[in-house]
Amino acid sequence: SQQGEEDPQALSIQEGENATMNCSYKTSINNLQWYRQNSGRGLVHLILIRSNEREKHSGRLRVTLDTSKKSSSLLITASRAADTASYFCATDAGGNNRLAFGKGNQVVVIP
Amino acid sequence: NAGVTQTPKFQVLKTGQSMTLQCAQDMNHEYMSWYRQDPGMGLRLIHYSVGAGITDQGEVPNGYNVSRSTTEDFPLRLLSAAPSQTSVYFCASSRSVNTEAFFGQGTRLTVV
Repeated sequence: SQQGEEDPQALSIQEGENATMNCSYKTSINNLQWYRQNSGRGLVHLILIRSNEREKHSGRLRVTLDTSKKSSSLLITASRAADTASYFCATDAGGNNRLAFGKGNQVVVIP
Repeated sequence: NAGVTQTPKFQVLKTGQSMTLQCAQDMNHEYMSWYRQDPGMGLRLIHYSVGAGITDQGEVPNGYNVSRSTTEDFPLRLLSAAPSQTSVYFCASSRSVNTEAFFGQGTRLTVV
């Protein structure tokens, strides 16, 4: 079964706007990771946040983690057309880098 | 560094045929995994390995075999291909626990 569940599934925004995606999970985790996938390509790692961390930043990306609610959010600020992609959250519950992925968010940034 | 290299990129098989999907990484990573991605779904773990000689099953292992004789290589074998195995297959590697995964570009497999 899927561990991560992203919400919303599809998002269409204007360039320059912010995009927020949420992810929920069911079991305790060691870490939660966000990945980007451009159409027809492999996944690219964005951010890893450990279970004892609450917030992490990387450039225009901000990830939060609420272990009490078993949820995470990914914020992309000042979006660009190049941010158009699918975004996946993945959880590592067992500690062996066995990732359980959500179904992904499709984000379209309109120039 | 090439990262994670998967071959072939595309493959068409007939039902019942067998084949091996190749995966190699040049980062000296201990952890390697195989995932499949189907339309509208996230990735599902097929098999994984925590080091040479050590493998274990993931969420959807039926119909697939793996072995890990070297740190660099982690081939995925389809024993008798079925149409349900039509998918995009991704190989990934990680340096250690709690570290990011590096993904290959994928192998698009069609079983007819």
